[in-house]
Amino acid sequence: RKEVEQDPGPFNVPEGATVAFNCTYSNSASQSFFWYRQDCRKEPKLLMSVYSSGNEDGRFTAQLNRASQYISLLIRDSKLSDSATYLCVVNGGNYGQNFVFGPGTRLSVLP
Amino acid sequence: AAGVIQSPRHLIKEKRETATLKCYPIPRHDTVYWYQQGPGQDPQFLISFYEKMQSDKGSIPDRFSAQQFSDYHSELNMSSLELGDSALYFCASSLEDSATGELFFGEGSRLTVL
Repeated sequence: RKEVEQDPGPFNVPEGATVAFNCTYSNSASQSFFWYRQDCRKEPKLLMSVYSSGNEDGRFTAQLNRASQYISLLIRDSKLSDSATYLCVVNGGNYGQNFVFGPGTRLSVLP
Repeated sequence: AAGVIQSPRHLIKEKRETATLKCYPIPRHDTVYWYQQGPGQDPQFLISFYEKMQSDKGSIPDRFSAQQFSDYHSELNMSSLELGDSALYFCASSLEDSATGELFFGEGSRLTVL
């Protein structure tokens, strides 16, 4: 079983739709959680960190449930430019940090 | 603001050759990570360095080695290249004590082994 797992995707949604991605992690000692966005053949870029209380940034909302070891990302009013692969990243909390990437969920927003 | 710099951006090698990738982290970042991303795959952690010492090791083949130098730049050395080594190699840097713990990625070095 992979340390970080995500919805397999791909997700194909129309513009304006709301879409949710799920992520689970196995290391209960994990301390930090992130959603990264990766466009085709480009480097991953931080979309948002995920805090225990949940956090929102415009159309994006991230939630963390430590008890269930579950992270989610909600995108509202999706735009064509949201089309990308969304990577769930967990910092294992080991010395020197150890960022573990999920397999990614690909989103295509269709006109 | 300065970002993570990787070189070369593209590299073509033959099987059994060697290759060296370089990474210059963001100034004052003390931790460097190397990731390998094959086509359609998620980034796979290879190795990391904290303050010039190896801090963690992932799925790095024995044919590969890496180090971090006194100026904090890092090099990934790959020998006896195989076709399966063709991938995008990302370097990322972070600050160990950063409140956000964010990883900053370079644009990657694309290695093609023929």
